[in-house]
Amino acid sequence: DAGVIQSPRHEVTEMGQEVTLRCKPISGHNSLFWYRQTMMRGLELLIYFNNNVPIDDSGMPEDRFSAKMPNASFSTLKIQPSEPRDSAVYFCASSLGGVAGDSYEQYFGPGTRLTVT
Amino acid sequence: AQSVTQLDSHVSVSEGTPVLLRCNYSSSYSPSLFWYVQHPNKGLQLLLKYTSAATLVKGINGFEAEFKKSETSFHLTKPSAHMSDAAEYFCVVNGGNKLVFGAGTILRVKS
Repeated sequence: DAGVIQSPRHEVTEMGQEVTLRCKPISGHNSLFWYRQTMMRGLELLIYFNNNVPIDDSGMPEDRFSAKMPNASFSTLKIQPSEPRDSAVYFCASSLGGVAGDSYEQYFGPGTRLTVT
Repeated sequence: AQSVTQLDSHVSVSEGTPVLLRCNYSSSYSPSLFWYVQHPNKGLQLLLKYTSAATLVKGINGFEAEFKKSETSFHLTKPSAHMSDAAEYFCVVNGGNKLVFGAGTILRVKS
């Protein structure tokens, strides 16, 4: 398997522009997670899906952020409008896990490094 | 609520000497625990996991961790450090329906 695939790997954009990050989970995995990593705040869970349904979006910082999972093999994280403080590395991860607690490990993609100027 | 505390933000060892990265956890039920490693500019990779089977868990690249319920600890060890072990390590607990990450420990390996 190719693992979790994220695109683009690097994104540089100007403040106010829309940014869309993409993720393809491992085939057969039914849970998908979006994380943000910064030096100041470490690794933060933004949102996660189970069977394409958003289960917990309490980590989404504000309404400028939205995520979708239209099918089992694709998810997007959109920021509109983007701000300099959104600069971070965004990771997508997938697992076989279910909704209510399990021990399945998550497999991480290589991340998208976002810079908003 | 489940949580993990990594006791050292930075650890420095010489190549060939043992590695110890410390992690304490808090959980209201029998936890699942993980160690992940992140090399510079890379994604996170699973090193090992504990899921209530053997308390001594062996992982990849010679790492192992021991689950000690009485001490609520899950420390990561390796007998002999290699230069390629230099990375950031995360202790993680299963927080019900999502993973809860520690703040990370940066391991530096000196030649």
